[in-house]
Amino acid sequence: DAGVTQSPTHLIKTRGQQVTLRCSPKSGHDTVSWYQQALGQGPQFIFQYYEEEERQRGNFPDRFSGHQFPNYSSELNVNALLLGDSALYLCASSFPQAVYEQYFGPGTRLTVT
Amino acid sequence: LAKTTQPISMDSYEGQEVNITCSHNNIATNDYITWYQQFPSQGPRFIIQGYKTKVTNEVASLFIPADRKSSTLSLPRVSLSDTAVYYCLVGDRRNTGGFKTIFGAGTRLFVKA
Repeated sequence: DAGVTQSPTHLIKTRGQQVTLRCSPKSGHDTVSWYQQALGQGPQFIFQYYEEEERQRGNFPDRFSGHQFPNYSSELNVNALLLGDSALYLCASSFPQAVYEQYFGPGTRLTVT
Repeated sequence: LAKTTQPISMDSYEGQEVNITCSHNNIATNDYITWYQQFPSQGPRFIIQGYKTKVTNEVASLFIPADRKSSTLSLPRVSLSDTAVYYCLVGDRRNTGGFKTIFGAGTRLFVKA
């Protein structure tokens, strides 16, 4: 049973560029959440997708957008990258009736130069 | 959303029992208490979840007093591999409109030989 997978593992981008990160949820899960984790800090909630719609959003600007596909996989898009966007981006999946029991992927390390 | 307070760090030795307490004074009736473990450069891992009294699994025990304003994660006989950051989260585990996972700074546990 595959767990949560994310791609790519690492990414280096330049300020002003755009990036797309991908996530496949754990088998059977239909709810996907995205988090940003800066070095030394706890994960910060970006948004959650369920039934292909964004259900909740954290305190992140509109430069951060996402999408969920019919197979429950998801993408996180970040436009106009800033140096401060450098972080580990985590994807987590869960059942809708147990959203606090989340299964996290290994993350994508994004470096903006 | 219930705010949580945990110690910033704790030290222990191999073989000892470690208890990490989390305060959540404004916990709501429908809120559950969930703990995650995170190793460096990895996504958090779900450890345990509870609502009241005591919950035990193969990894840890969770003690919740009757007023539910705090909870204690107990790790029996820790080993060096238990060195990690531990997060306490509180919230309604259903996928309700108010869902936003809030990770604080967590508790950094250092296990020494």
